[in-house]
Order: sequence, then structure tokens, then C-alpha cells
Amino acid sequence: EPEVTQTPSHQVTQMGQEVILRCVPISNHLYFYWYRQILGQKVEFLVSFYNNEISEKSEIFDDQFSVERPDGSNFTLKIRSTKLEDSAMYFCASSALGGNTIYFGEGSWLTVV
Amino acid sequence: KQEVTQIPAALSVPEGENLVLNCSFTDSAIYNLQWFRQDPGKGLTSLLLIQSSQREQTSGRLNASLDKSSGRSTLYIAASQPGDSATYLCAVVVPGNTGKLIFGQGTTLQVKP
Repeated sequence: EPEVTQTPSHQVTQMGQEVILRCVPISNHLYFYWYRQILGQKVEFLVSFYNNEISEKSEIFDDQFSVERPDGSNFTLKIRSTKLEDSAMYFCASSALGGNTIYFGEGSWLTVV
Repeated sequence: KQEVTQIPAALSVPEGENLVLNCSFTDSAIYNLQWFRQDPGKGLTSLLLIQSSQREQTSGRLNASLDKSSGRSTLYIAASQPGDSATYLCAVVVPGNTGKLIFGQGTTLQVKP
């Protein structure tokens, strides 16, 4: 069964460093997403991406965050200057269409120290 | 602003019992509703998607219902097994065709052998 894959599974970084989280969405999907889950809290929407541009972003997704689809298969989330409060599980997701089932990856644990 | 609530936060049942998990949302203008399963430290596995025009969906021992007018959904698990132990999340897709999900905080289920 096709799946969303994410790398790395876990990353520890120093505060102020840049981090890139990588995702390979399901191949025929058109919508791509990043969500995050701070330990013990709800899963929160960060950004949706369609047709090579951001279609919606949350208040969390400020100027330190960016997304890119550099080629036909990868979808990345960059955090420019990490803060302690960026420590969370980051999930990539994709769907064939905007209203269809959304499939999530296994997540990337980011720990900022 | 759409808010999703799940009650109870935790539930413990003996193996074999039928059970119901509850999800409520404040704005009935949803595009669809999706139920997920999350194992500790893992990603989200999609269980069922109910379109806003549907009343229920079934998959194996799982049955999800949707009552848009009252802002409620239930996930019914028949003949529970220890392997069903996990956190169950419901999430609504808001109108706007971006596919953005708003999540509840989840119900953590423990099925005791």
C-alpha cells in the first residue's frame, strides 16, 4: 500500500540552527500538508500546498517556516532558526484531492536544545 | 472558529466489549470528518472518512456515524481486542478546498485481555 515517508525520524538540533524535514508524499497525490504535535497536545495544522504554492497556512507558520517541492517527489519543511518551542513531532501528509482521505507519515521528532 | 472535542479523554475496557468514542464539533459547516488511530510515538493511521452528505461509514469492526446538525460523530468499535489499544483522533475538514484538518485531542483506549 502506498505510504507517506518522512526523514529523519528523529533530529536533535541546537537552538538557532536551521532544520530541514523531508517527506515523500504518495505519488499520485496533489495536496500536501505539514502538521505538528507538541507532546501531550492536539495535532495542529501548519500549512497546505497545492499546485506549487501554499494554499493555506496557520498562525504558527510564521516567517521562520518555509515549504518547498524541489522536484516531483519530495516535499520539505524548513525551519530557519529553531526555538525551544519548536520541539514537536512534525507530520507530513498528502491527499489526492482536497476533500479526500488524508494520509499521514510516521512523523519526524524534532528536539531543540 | 471550529473546535473539536473528544470525550472521554481515556477509556479502559475489558476485551470483547463493544464501545463508543465520541467527537463533537462547534461548526456544522464541515466538508468531511476523518477518524484516525495513533499508536504511541507513531504517525496517524486513517480509519474512516465520512463525507458531509453521509450518515455513516463501516470498515470491519469499526462503524463511524455523523450527525452534522448536532455537531457530533461517534466511532463504534465492536468486540474490542487488546490490539485496538491506541489513541483515536477525530478531525474535521473545513470548507475551502485546502483539505485543512482540525483535530480533537483524542481518546486513549486501553483494552485489557
